[in-house]
Amino acid sequence: GEDVEQSLFLSVREGDSSVINCTYTDSSSTYLYWYKQEPGAGLQLLTYIFSNMDMKQDQRLTVLLNKKDKHLSLRIADTQTGDSAIYFCADLGFGNEKLTFGTGTRLTIIP
Amino acid sequence: DTGVSQNPRHKITKRGQNVTFRCDPISEHNRLYWYRQTLGQGPEFLTYFQNEAQLEKSRLLSDRFSAERPKGSFSTLEIQRTEQGDSAMYLCASRLAGVMGEQFFGPGTRLTVL
Repeated sequence: GEDVEQSLFLSVREGDSSVINCTYTDSSSTYLYWYKQEPGAGLQLLTYIFSNMDMKQDQRLTVLLNKKDKHLSLRIADTQTGDSAIYFCADLGFGNEKLTFGTGTRLTIIP
Repeated sequence: DTGVSQNPRHKITKRGQNVTFRCDPISEHNRLYWYRQTLGQGPEFLTYFQNEAQLEKSRLLSDRFSAERPKGSFSTLEIQRTEQGDSAMYLCASRLAGVMGEQFFGPGTRLTVL
């Protein structure tokens, strides 16, 4: 079946950029998503990218997609303490309704 | 608040008891999804509805699990004869079919089975 992988932890100094990486196996992915989860809370959609795009920018967020390598990244510019959370990458395959999530990357901000 | 709501937010039960969770989607959303998230993992798909029809069920959804969406609005997820392995966060999401595939998630129900 489809698989989505992420590194588990990332620590970044406040004000620096954070880059969270994700790899996926589904060749038929149509959309790829980044969700944010704060402690005890549900999932907040941050941004998504359609599979025929290479890049999408949305304020402090930049998503890069390398479809050949099946690699997705999320860059958060000027990282703030409020960005501390777990970030999930998810993919939606063609003709599917279910999202396949990675295990999440816990982002810790160092003051 | 017009987002997805879930009740209860927390449920503690003893092994062998039955539990039922409720999800109220965003009002015009015709698709509704259930996911399960265990500690340290990403959410895993359980099932989804288009209006009142249950269109897909994951192999994770054993016979002890049943989900309904009787009038195409709110949905319930029931777990019978709970086991400790059922302890998890149960997340509901909804979306409007034909709109970009974005799923909006509720805050989840955290189930603890003692």
